[in-house]
Amino acid sequence: GENVEQHPSTLSVQEGDSAVIKCTYSDSASNYFPWYKQELGKGPQLIIDIRSNVGEKKDQRIAVTLNKTAKHFSLHITETQPEDSAVYFCAATSGTYKYIFGTGTRLKVLA
Amino acid sequence: GAVVSQHPSWVICKSGTSVKIECRSLDFQATTMFWYRQFPKQSLMLMATSNEGSKATYEQGVEKDKFLINHASLTLSTLTVTSAHPEDSSFYICSARFTRVYEQYFGPGTRLTVT
Repeated sequence: GENVEQHPSTLSVQEGDSAVIKCTYSDSASNYFPWYKQELGKGPQLIIDIRSNVGEKKDQRIAVTLNKTAKHFSLHITETQPEDSAVYFCAATSGTYKYIFGTGTRLKVLA
Repeated sequence: GAVVSQHPSWVICKSGTSVKIECRSLDFQATTMFWYRQFPKQSLMLMATSNEGSKATYEQGVEKDKFLINHASLTLSTLTVTSAHPEDSSFYICSARFTRVYEQYFGPGTRLTVT
């Protein structure tokens, strides 16, 4: 069935460094790829998304890249800050609008 | 914009009782609402998809008679956990989307503890 793999499961970086989280999807019909940030005890918050007709999208310190041929997409956070510490989930969806979530990455930014 | 609320934020109930969780889209009309369950340190697992005025579509392995979903209006969906057991204890999160839009907007979640 449809699957989204996410790596790494945990990631520790020094404040100011960059963080990269990668996801690979299996359904070639997937055409929308959001990234969510979830803080402890809260619901996920959309931080950035990308559609299949775009290769890269950037919003201040956050960027997402998509490689449709390889079926993978990545989240890049630059100049990390302690408040970036959270769990990040990638997801993929096609015309059904159902999200297939990755397994999550726990990011810890060390001050 | 695109705010989704959930009520209650947390609930404790006794085994065998039922509990209802509300999900509301506050500033938009939600064509579709989704219900997820999340266990500690795990990803979100989709339980069911509901469209206003029609029966919910449940994912494989989710008991429809145990998790009753009612999507009575374009701004309200409810999840009722019937005859709750300790293994139903989890974090329940709803999300909503509107027509022709891929984005799902998530609620803050409801922590259910069954004793």
